[in-house]
Amino acid sequence: GAVVSQHPSWVICKSGTSVKIECRSLDFQATTMFWYRQFPKQSLMLMATSNEGSKATYEQGVEKDKFLINHASLTLSTLTVTSAHPEDSSFYICSASSTGRTEAFFGQGTRLTVV
Amino acid sequence: AQSVTQLGSHVSVSEGALVLLRCNYSSSVPPYLFWYVQYPNQGLQLLLKYTSAATLVKGINGFEAEFKKSETSFHLTKPSAHMSDAAEYFCAVSSDTGGFKTIFGAGTRLFVKA
Repeated sequence: GAVVSQHPSWVICKSGTSVKIECRSLDFQATTMFWYRQFPKQSLMLMATSNEGSKATYEQGVEKDKFLINHASLTLSTLTVTSAHPEDSSFYICSASSTGRTEAFFGQGTRLTVV
Repeated sequence: AQSVTQLGSHVSVSEGALVLLRCNYSSSVPPYLFWYVQYPNQGLQLLLKYTSAATLVKGINGFEAEFKKSETSFHLTKPSAHMSDAAEYFCAVSSDTGGFKTIFGAGTRLFVKA
């Protein structure tokens, strides 16, 4: 099957610092990756779409300078939360898709807590 | 554009009773439809998916869903609820245009009473 792995699974950081979350497709080449955010008791909201080698496309209301997305290879995308604040505390989930498949595959998520 | 509406943010059933979680979608292109389950503090688990083949889709743990184009629905059912089915369920839509960007419904919390 298609496996997507996120690292770390959880992270605690101090307010004002930056934190990087990795999303890797382990057994396929991901031409497109997506980043979602899920606040407690809410649904998953798409933050941005990234294609390998291109700039990410952000959804309306998502600050591109705060949430830096890099998709430098076909197996790795990173999300960097810059100058994190407590309101950025959330569950971040990535997904990855590739040509010829019929769905995107989701990582296990990263729980970010900003203190 | 694509969207999903899940009717009922909370559904409560007795153990052994029928589970019915409702989902309606909107899509300007042929949709792919999914049901995911999420247990507390965990990621998503795919229950089943419709990808333009059979309209009645069987998934894991005894769940199934029927794609009804005329009703733009994709309701999830299970004949007999089990305590372990208590979780959050998300209906989602995507398409092969846009790289399978997946749009989620608001979710339905299923409670199972003993």
